[in-house]
Amino acid sequence: GAGVSQSPSNKVTEKGKDVELRCDPISGHTALYWYRQRLGQGLEFLIYFQGNSAPDKSGLPSDRFSAERTGESVSTLTIQRTQQEDSAVYLCASSSLVGGVYGTNEKLFFGSGTQLSVL
Amino acid sequence: AQSVTQLDSHVSVSEGTPVLLRCNYSSSYSPSLFWYVQHPNKGLQLLLKYTSAATLVKGINGFEAEFKKSETSFHLTKPSAHMSDAAEYFCVVSVLGNTDKLIFGTGTRLQVFP
Repeated sequence: GAGVSQSPSNKVTEKGKDVELRCDPISGHTALYWYRQRLGQGLEFLIYFQGNSAPDKSGLPSDRFSAERTGESVSTLTIQRTQQEDSAVYLCASSSLVGGVYGTNEKLFFGSGTQLSVL
Repeated sequence: AQSVTQLDSHVSVSEGTPVLLRCNYSSSYSPSLFWYVQHPNKGLQLLLKYTSAATLVKGINGFEAEFKKSETSFHLTKPSAHMSDAAEYFCVVSVLGNTDKLIFGTGTRLQVFP
């Protein structure tokens, strides 16, 4: 497809289980972001991949969260030992440009998100 | 540090009346600013963006926003609301640097009544 694809669209899991969320960015996009949107809150930055550079992991809320990306393709976000507070919509976005000193001109293309519910 | 504040969590208007969604930002640099819209059960869509060019930015669906440096504001407006405008709107500031992170506001829910 032409857009950012995320799977699954919905995931219900039990507390303590591990989950893996997948993001397929737009082909050719070097930048990939993961965001989290908890109910009633704004979007929270989690992690950023740019080409072969070391990812910016500064937004990951705990060491239970990790993400990988193979080259400039698929990314997986893994949450280990899920907690109820992990329940949220997890959004992936990709873009083709990197901003410079004067600001970014990149346009982010967002996936539809994965609704994660931890019971 | 960069930050963005959306002053209203909910805004309600009647169809055909003007829309004003307020956003203030804080940035050590000349920022890049965006407005995104999120319709129910859909992904985020870029409405418009400001990147140090014209201060009045026109976006899709009749929306526009004006960058006012003196007021550190980037309010979103539309002259006449339509029922289809009902959605969640996010004001976003770009964090300069190697990673160019986007910092999202908490969102404003726009309701449009007939």
